[in-house]
Amino acid sequence: TQTVSQSDAHVTVFEGDSVELRCNYSYGGSIYLSWYIQHHGHGLQFLLKYYSGNPVVQGVNGFEAEFSKSDSSFHLRKASVHWSDSAVYFCAVSANNNNAPRFGAGTKLSVKP
Amino acid sequence: VTLLEQNPRWRLVPRGQAVNLRCILKNSQYPWMSWYQQDLQKQLQWLFTLRSPGDKEVKSLPGADYLATRVTDTELRLQVANMSQGRTLYCTCSATWAGNSGNTLYFGEGSRLIVV
Repeated sequence: TQTVSQSDAHVTVFEGDSVELRCNYSYGGSIYLSWYIQHHGHGLQFLLKYYSGNPVVQGVNGFEAEFSKSDSSFHLRKASVHWSDSAVYFCAVSANNNNAPRFGAGTKLSVKP
Repeated sequence: VTLLEQNPRWRLVPRGQAVNLRCILKNSQYPWMSWYQQDLQKQLQWLFTLRSPGDKEVKSLPGADYLATRVTDTELRLQVANMSQGRTLYCTCSATWAGNSGNTLYFGEGSRLIVV
């Protein structure tokens, strides 16, 4: 069974700062890794996904994530955050094992003006 | 574009009372429908995936009992009973079974249940 962990429950930065939200996974086979964003009071929205190829994937609104097999990681980054990026971010992992996608505990990003 | 419509968006649930939730699929290209629960700590947990009309499943989790039904190609229902703590239930859809394809999950806006 695949597992996913997000070590930071809460990250606070200032507008214009860069940010990295961490995600680590555990699974021995092929996996699909995704990031989702959840604004307060709403459902999750897909940001980006990795399965194979270029380990750096681009998403919407300037987000990108980098896959590292050696570190078992899929960290999300943004070079310059905006106050509207304040939300909870979830990392998710799927595998070819017929188990439903698993979500990390989420990281709440707070962007201060 | 909204792919899923959930109702009610929120409900006060007297302790011991069951509540029925609906999810309507707006785009038939994403027929794999699922329910996820999100607890008060924001932790997400998959509950069910029902693909075909007539599919039914039950599950008991800490804090609630669930009965899910795929009523039609476009309607998914969830009955929540014996709920002891509030939670939000999300309906999702995807093009194929996301468990072995990595397909994107599209979420509804959720049904927030508050125990009173």
